[in-house]
Amino acid sequence: EDQVTQSPEALRLQEGESSSLNCSYTVSGLRGLFWYRQDPGKGPEFLFTLYSAGEEKEKERLKATLTKKESFLHITAPKPEDSATYLCAVQAGSGFQKLVFGTGTRLLVSP
Amino acid sequence: ETGVTQSPTHLIKTRGQQVTLRCSSQSGHNTVSWYQQALGQGPQFIFQYYREEENGRGNFPPRFSGLQFPNYSSELNVNALELDDSALYLCASSVTGVVAEAFFGQGTRLTVV
Repeated sequence: EDQVTQSPEALRLQEGESSSLNCSYTVSGLRGLFWYRQDPGKGPEFLFTLYSAGEEKEKERLKATLTKKESFLHITAPKPEDSATYLCAVQAGSGFQKLVFGTGTRLLVSP
Repeated sequence: ETGVTQSPTHLIKTRGQQVTLRCSSQSGHNTVSWYQQALGQGPQFIFQYYREEENGRGNFPPRFSGLQFPNYSSELNVNALELDDSALYLCASSVTGVVAEAFFGQGTRLTVV
């Protein structure tokens, strides 16, 4: 069964204090790994898709990387507006576009 | 380009009742998926529709059913509501293909009392 585990569950940073969020996965035939940002009471907002080990993508203060077993979301010099829950999801070789999500990392950035 | 929109945003129902949630896909998207997100959890896949037919389903009972219309909008129907059905219901649209980014609506918060 496809599984996604995210760590830590919660992370508190000071503004400007860089850190990384981890997403480890076990899937049969990874087709894509996705990162989303979710604000309280809202739907997930798409950030990145990674397809193969070694791939990296960047957007503003965020950088996502992928290995054969895990993905990292690096946050450089975060600001309070980066506070949110970050969700990792995988799509495996099921024949249809089913995403399997982790439980997320709640990030709080204090000024 | 319009995004994914869902209605209503909030809903309160009584145990045993039936509910219908609605979703309008993002322009140009022909595939719609529904997810259930309990508090503090990640979204769980309910099912997916393409060309007005269900083409994939998660571990949800048959009382969860859906429709997709020719304009790619969609409905999620839940019969015989249970207290555990209280959750945020999310609709996601995408284009067909092996891998595609799914774009989510703002969700419908369903509370069953």
